[in-house]
Parts: sequence; structure tokens; C-alpha cells
Amino acid sequence: DFQMTQSPSSLSASVGDRVTITCRASQSITYYLNWYQQKPGKAPKLLIYAASSVQPGVPSRFSGGGSGTDFTLTINNLQPEDFATYYCQQSYSSLYTFGQGTKLEVK
Amino acid sequence: EAQLVESGGGLVQPGGSLRLSCLASGFAFSDYAFHWVRQAPGKGLEWVSYISDDGRTIYYSDSVKGRFTSSRDDAKRSLSLQMDSLRAEDTARYYCSRRTSADALDIWGQGAMVTVTS
Repeated sequence: DFQMTQSPSSLSASVGDRVTITCRASQSITYYLNWYQQKPGKAPKLLIYAASSVQPGVPSRFSGGGSGTDFTLTINNLQPEDFATYYCQQSYSSLYTFGQGTKLEVK
Repeated sequence: EAQLVESGGGLVQPGGSLRLSCLASGFAFSDYAFHWVRQAPGKGLEWVSYISDDGRTIYYSDSVKGRFTSSRDDAKRSLSLQMDSLRAEDTARYYCSRRTSADALDIWGQGAMVTVTS
């Protein structure tokens, strides 16, 4: 079983800020880590796959890093549309698991 | 445009059954594996099930194993999730999603709401 732990659970920031969300796996998942953004009432949207590859169409202010057990999602120059909930997800095992989510709120 | 559309959600009593469907369009359905993911009201995302591109490999989360059954019909470009012995804790919005070759979920449906209550 792969447990995914995100931190923080919530985060307050302002437009123009740089924020980083972390995700830790209970055991190594090499680079099999994806990041999603979800807005209220909407389906999740894929942002980053394979730890650091940006999904086509996603703004370049989003970036991902890490390998093994520790991963980050960084958003540079926060925009109003970036306030949402973010989830990490491991795909090392076909029995996927998600982090508990990080809610990014306006300060 | 690649698209997934779920249907079949609704209100059901504990112990009852419901069958969700997911209809695909805009891409070569038979080339892809799919996952079901659910989200209880106000909660996070929970993985439910995986079905391979050829339908021969299917996985379930421990929370639904033995009660839910995934299947696919390539001719109809559709997925199904048969949900039996439903419990209150199965109340959630259920999403079907497409797995990419990079093992991520790039296309999601709008979700189907399932409410289990007496």
C-alpha cells in the first residue's frame, strides 16, 4: 500500500506569490507522481505528470519536482484562477492513491 | 475533442444496487485503460477501480472489492461500474477518467452523483 501525505492541508497566499506544496510517499515511487487541480463543482484537471512534466496547455508557472518519496508542486506568480485544491497521486502501482489535498486560499 | 460522460447516478437505499456508465467520444477508446475515482461530499479524491485497455486486468480498492464490478464494451465505447450492496459510505460523486501512457489521468468526466440513504 502506498500512502500519500500532502502538506500543508491548507495554505493562504496572495496574487503574485510563489507557493510550494509537498507530497510524501510512504515508500519509493520513483517518478510516478502526478498533480491535479480541482475547483469547486468541477472534475480534477491534470497539471503535472511523471513528477516534473507539465501537461500541455498548463501555464508554465506550474512546475513539479522530486523523486523517490518526496515531491513538490510549485506555482510561481500566483494568478486569481489558481486558488483551488491540489492533489498529488501516485501511479507506481495501478492501485492509485491520492494525497488528502491542499486547499489554496486567498490571503 | 476527447470527452467522457457519466450517467446512471441517483438515490438508492443501503444494500441496493446501481450501475454507472461512462460514454467516451473523440478518441480511440480501445487503446486506453481507464480508472474510476470517487469523491464524497466535501472530501478528497479516492481511487476506486482500474480496467486495462483489453479489459482483462481489473483492480479494485479494498473498500469496494467484492461489491463493485468494472467492465467495458469497446463496440459501444463505454465503461460500466456495477455497484452492489451499497453502503452509506459509498455516497460520492463518481468520475471515470482516461489513463495516459505516462500513467496519469488526463481526461475526466463530469461525474455521476450516487447517494446511499434510507
